[in-house]
Amino acid sequence: SQQGEEDPQALSIQEGENATMNCSYKTSINNLQWYRQNSGRGLVHLILIRSNEREKHSGGLRVTLDTSKKSSSLLITASRAADTASYFCATADYGGSQGNLIFGKGTKLSVKP
Amino acid sequence: ETGVTQTPRHLVMGMTNKKSLKCEQHLGHNAMYWYKQSAKKPLELMFVYNFKEQTENNSVPSRFSPECPNSSHLFLHLHTLQPEDSALYLCASSQQSDRNYEQYFGPGTRLTVT
Repeated sequence: SQQGEEDPQALSIQEGENATMNCSYKTSINNLQWYRQNSGRGLVHLILIRSNEREKHSGGLRVTLDTSKKSSSLLITASRAADTASYFCATADYGGSQGNLIFGKGTKLSVKP
Repeated sequence: ETGVTQTPRHLVMGMTNKKSLKCEQHLGHNAMYWYKQSAKKPLELMFVYNFKEQTENNSVPSRFSPECPNSSHLFLHLHTLQPEDSALYLCASSQQSDRNYEQYFGPGTRLTVT
């Protein structure tokens, strides 16, 4: 089954720097979603990008989608310590009507003040 | 606050115990989900309910028994669990069980089976 795989598994940066996380998947998708999870907490939806979209912005986030390469990237600009969390991509099947999302293992981002 | 609450937040149980996890959503959504999150593994979908009807059982062992009495409440009944069932159990909801909707997650129940 398709699965989003994030890269890198862990990323450590200084406050103010940009953070880029990548996601690759295997089969055709309807949309791709990014979620954030603070340690030991639930996931929070960040952004959804549809298969016919190439780029999307939300707050300080920029998401790109390249369906030809089956990949997506999440860019956090001018990161803050509060952005420290794990970030997951999730893909939704192109076929079928169920809302089953397939999550990757996540990228653990650490932003140092 | 995401509008999805889970109780208890932490649970320690022996392998012979019976316990239940509770999830409630205040968002007026029609779909609810149970996920299992173990260390170093991707989030695993367990069950999906849409308009109170179970639409997905992702090959979950029968020692996990879900119940959805209405669109706002979801339970996960646990009995004779194994130590490998220790994990963070997350509940989520969405407007419908459709791929076009984002999911809203609760804070999770940290389960430890001794």
